[in-house]
Amino acid sequence: EVQLLETGGGLVQPGGSLRLSCAASGFTFKNYDMTWVRQAPGKGLEWVAAISGYFNSTYYANSVRGRFTIFRDNSKNTLFLQMNSLRAEDTGVYYCAKDQDDYLGDWGQGTLVTVSS
Amino acid sequence: EIVLTQSPATLSLSPGERATLSCRASQSVSRYLAWYQQKPGQAPRLLIYDASKRASGIPASFSGSGSGTDFTLSISSLQPEDFAVYYCQQRSNWPLTFGGGTKVEIK
Repeated sequence: EVQLLETGGGLVQPGGSLRLSCAASGFTFKNYDMTWVRQAPGKGLEWVAAISGYFNSTYYANSVRGRFTIFRDNSKNTLFLQMNSLRAEDTGVYYCAKDQDDYLGDWGQGTLVTVSS
Repeated sequence: EIVLTQSPATLSLSPGERATLSCRASQSVSRYLAWYQQKPGQAPRLLIYDASKRASGIPASFSGSGSGTDFTLSISSLQPEDFAVYYCQQRSNWPLTFGGGTKVEIK
């Protein structure tokens, strides 16, 4: 059974940094692209970033490019999202998801990030 | 970026009725479109991919159709557990994008 467990969310001031983690199990992690998707309170889904399995190719939404970095540690079956220069509009639940041909077949339960002073 | 527009924003129906949800793309996405279901406090769940293929474990009451710019998700007979928010997502072009969602609520 695929399991994805996000951690690292919390309250941070505008301009601050936060690193999210997603621990994966139940599948061969290195073989799959992985994705972060976020959801602002009461709003829809927004794709944030993705990373390929083997070659670490990365892709970012325009709204986070230059501020967020997606990376992975295949030896620890863990996906990360380093978030810098955080803004109020970055507030929301952040989900990691297992990518199947750029569709998102398995999701974690999410971790809440709140950017506020 | 490709914009996906879902309609209606809210669909009020009774259990047992048929639901028809629409997703329109700002440019052709071929058949590279998926549908997700999200219930309150839960992560989204993949229902349909490549416009019409049901994901593992998804009942036959859910069906998808369309290609190019116009897509439809149909739920043949609404069950109590089907009342939720539904999102479409395209994978034709980067960045991946989602529609704004359709809420299916109990009438």
